[in-house]
Amino acid sequence: DAGITQSPRHKVTETGTPVTLRCHQTENHRYMYWYRQDPGHGLRLIHYSYGVKDTDKGEVSDGYSVSRSKTEDFLLTLESATSSQTSVYFCAISEFGGESSYNEQFFGPGTRLTVL
Amino acid sequence: AQSVTQPDIHITVSEGASLELRCNYSYGATPYLFWYVQSPGQGLQLLLKYFSGDTLVQGIKGFEAEFKRSQSSFNLRKPSVHWSDAAEYFCAVGAQTNAGKSTFGDGTTLTVKP
Repeated sequence: DAGITQSPRHKVTETGTPVTLRCHQTENHRYMYWYRQDPGHGLRLIHYSYGVKDTDKGEVSDGYSVSRSKTEDFLLTLESATSSQTSVYFCAISEFGGESSYNEQFFGPGTRLTVL
Repeated sequence: AQSVTQPDIHITVSEGASLELRCNYSYGATPYLFWYVQSPGQGLQLLLKYFSGDTLVQGIKGFEAEFKRSQSSFNLRKPSVHWSDAAEYFCAVGAQTNAGKSTFGDGTTLTVKP
């Protein structure tokens, strides 16, 4: 299994509080992604990173920010959590390039966030 | 923009029966295609992938998928389903460019009857 950990695994917080989720990898992969998973919506990309300090928005980035100061860590921050951000958050990593590489993604175990 | 449609939200099959999960994609160039499986409370695990070459690809756990360019489809199959196959299945399309981002379908939940 790819070395990806997420912390915390579960969190309950209150509306308006800041929350930071951490993704840590030991694979030295260049690309990292944050998704949220909600019933009926599959996985939706929040933000992604293509290198240290290089990040970009995904399809549902409003209300979220990210940072990547080291290859192995990708942080997702909810500046002021809202109930609509209650979800399961998955981190993924990917490495590709060249003819024999595919952009398959390896997923972490997820973080279940509840915003009351 | 790339997109993926999984027409079946929920499928129920009997143990030992064959299985086919449908996936249709939209992408302007040759796609990278993936099937992932997610067991309850777990992250996603890659079952198989298509990049190029043989359009019938074999994956783990006895799954296979066939890429049909003319139908923009990448259906997942298994000849004999086991109770442990009950899970949610996601089809995804990716691009070699665009930071390797993949677009996922909404998933198909598989229930296996004894």
